[in-house]
Amino acid sequence: DGGITQSPKYLFRKEGQNVTLSCEQNLNHDAMYWYRQDPGQGLRLIYYSQIVNDFQKGDIAEGYSVSREKKESFPLTVTSAQKNPTAFYLCASRGLGSPLHFGNGTRLTVT
Amino acid sequence: AQTVTQSQPEMSVQEAETVTLSCTYDTSENNYYLFWYKQPPSRQMILVIRQEAYKQQNATENRFSVNFQKAAKSFSLKISDSQLGDTAMYFCAFMRLTQGGSEKLVFGKGTKLTVNP
Repeated sequence: DGGITQSPKYLFRKEGQNVTLSCEQNLNHDAMYWYRQDPGQGLRLIYYSQIVNDFQKGDIAEGYSVSREKKESFPLTVTSAQKNPTAFYLCASRGLGSPLHFGNGTRLTVT
Repeated sequence: AQTVTQSQPEMSVQEAETVTLSCTYDTSENNYYLFWYKQPPSRQMILVIRQEAYKQQNATENRFSVNFQKAAKSFSLKISDSQLGDTAMYFCAFMRLTQGGSEKLVFGKGTKLTVNP
């Protein structure tokens, strides 16, 4: 079955460590997105990529980095520069003319 | 920049009743999509319904329908015959249409809907 896989579901890190969240899709979608969700804030766009080897900053890119070396993969690195990294992170992809398809999310807790 | 506003942080409805969730948006674009997504306690984001701005007819999907008022920039979601499984956060979202340009979804802050037995 086609879909988006985010792993792991829960992730714990110590403050000061970089951590990478995985996102893989087998939907053959060109566009991929990372959103952050906090209580009462809705979903805020971190980074997005329209094609391989290209990506753009979203509304809250500071403290995050991404890569898009393969069409299927769009990993997100939360760096130590991110002031409040604890959040729920959602990855999504979209094909031409279609709505966003979301993964199941990763809950990151930094202590 | 586009903005999406959901003015009702929380709502509740009795099972089998009808409820309407509000959404307004601000844009200078003429071609765009609007969406309603549902996020149950599992936190999986599920597409409920979508509307193309160029279509005058309101979209419907079974018990879910929208009232799209383009001039007023309003896009409300009506849920008929509410069921316990409709309990979730509901997000309104906007996506502009461009030719080969950036297309990103802008979300509202959500409305928490509780369906009571």
